[in-house]
Order: sequence, then C-alpha cells, then structure tokens
Amino acid sequence: LAKTTQPISMDSYEGQEVNITCSHNNIATNDYITWYQQFPSQGPRFIIQGYKTKVTNEVASLFIPADRKSSTLSLPRVSLSDTAVYYCLAIKRDTGRRALTFGSGTRLQVQP
Amino acid sequence: DAGVIQSPRHEVTEMGQEVTLRCKPISGHDYLFWYRQTMMRGLELLIYFNNNVPIDDSGMPEDRFSAKMPNASFSTLKIQPSEPRDSAVYFCAGTSSQYNEQFFGPGTRLTVL
Repeated sequence: LAKTTQPISMDSYEGQEVNITCSHNNIATNDYITWYQQFPSQGPRFIIQGYKTKVTNEVASLFIPADRKSSTLSLPRVSLSDTAVYYCLAIKRDTGRRALTFGSGTRLQVQP
Repeated sequence: DAGVIQSPRHEVTEMGQEVTLRCKPISGHDYLFWYRQTMMRGLELLIYFNNNVPIDDSGMPEDRFSAKMPNASFSTLKIQPSEPRDSAVYFCAGTSSQYNEQFFGPGTRLTVL
C-alpha cells in the first residue's frame, strides 16, 4: 500500500474554501486516491475517489496532477458541520472488498 | 435501508468479563469488516469475512479475540477475557463487489475497567 502523508490538523472559518493536500510519492500505477470523512462518534464515510485530473461530486472536489505524487481535496464554502477528520488513502479500485489502512488523517476544525 | 447496525453502542465492563459486540450489515453486502479505533493506533483492521467465511484475521490481537459470521445478516466479535487495553471504539463495515467503498456502522465504544 502506498504511504500517504497529510497535515495533522487545519483550521478554517465558515464560508471559506478548504484545501487538504495529501502526498503519495510511491503511488502504484493502479492505485486510486480515495478520501474518507469521519465525524466525531461516527464511522468513516467515503466522500470521493479519483485517478487523475479532477473529480467533483456534491460534497467535494479532488485534484490530482499528472505525476500523481500528490492530490488535493477541496471543500467549497465549509460550514461548522464539516468539522471532521479527513483520511487520504491510495488503494486499488476494488479495495472496497479488502482491508483499508487508515493513517492519522487531517483534523479539520471549522470556526464560526 | 437502515445502514450498518451495531450493538451495543456503549459497553462498560470490568476486566476479565466476556464482551460480545454485534453487527448487522446492509442487506446484500457480502464483505464484512471489523475495525478497532484508538487514539494511539488509529483505525486498524481486526478481521474480515467474505460470504460469511473469514478471509483475513491477521489483525486479531490474540486468542482472547474471536469473530463469527453465522449468516449473511449477523456477525459477532467476542473478547474473553477482556482487558483495559481493549478499550476502544469497534467499527463494523460492509460492502459488495459493485462498490469501491466500505460502509461503516456507528461503532461500539468499549470501556474495560
């Protein structure tokens, strides 16, 4: 499994755009960048997955440059309810069916 | 669908007692995972099943831990005897081949005194 590195914590204010960068220098050719979100007292929740360039859904955008050695999760106009831990994983696409290895994640605190 | 259901949500027990955690996965999900989360070690896999058969139990700490999946809609994780270092939040997650993600339950917070 490719090791990922992300900031331990980030602070933001309501209404701002938050960008969380993840480094994965040794990503394998068939690895996908996948992000999970974990609210306090809840299990992790899948939010987005991508391979290259840009992916957008109703929750976030994921930017992956051509060399795929890093990626950026973008949360537009955050609210207090976006306060959570965000995990970046580099995994095979079918790893929904295999064990996931979570790192320490990035703890995002959104202030009013 | 109600999502993954775990019970109990909170469990407080004394060292040496047997603890049983329960999980009901989403209907149709043929993969079931048990994870444990602590501040020190983060989220770590304990064991996972496919079609009710254990596939990888290398994360099970020791013989005190055992897991079963008697049918597609129910799994248990048992700790006997429990120790204070077993205190953690235990998550059950499931998925099937049509998904690239796992669906986690709300977790069981276990405290062993």
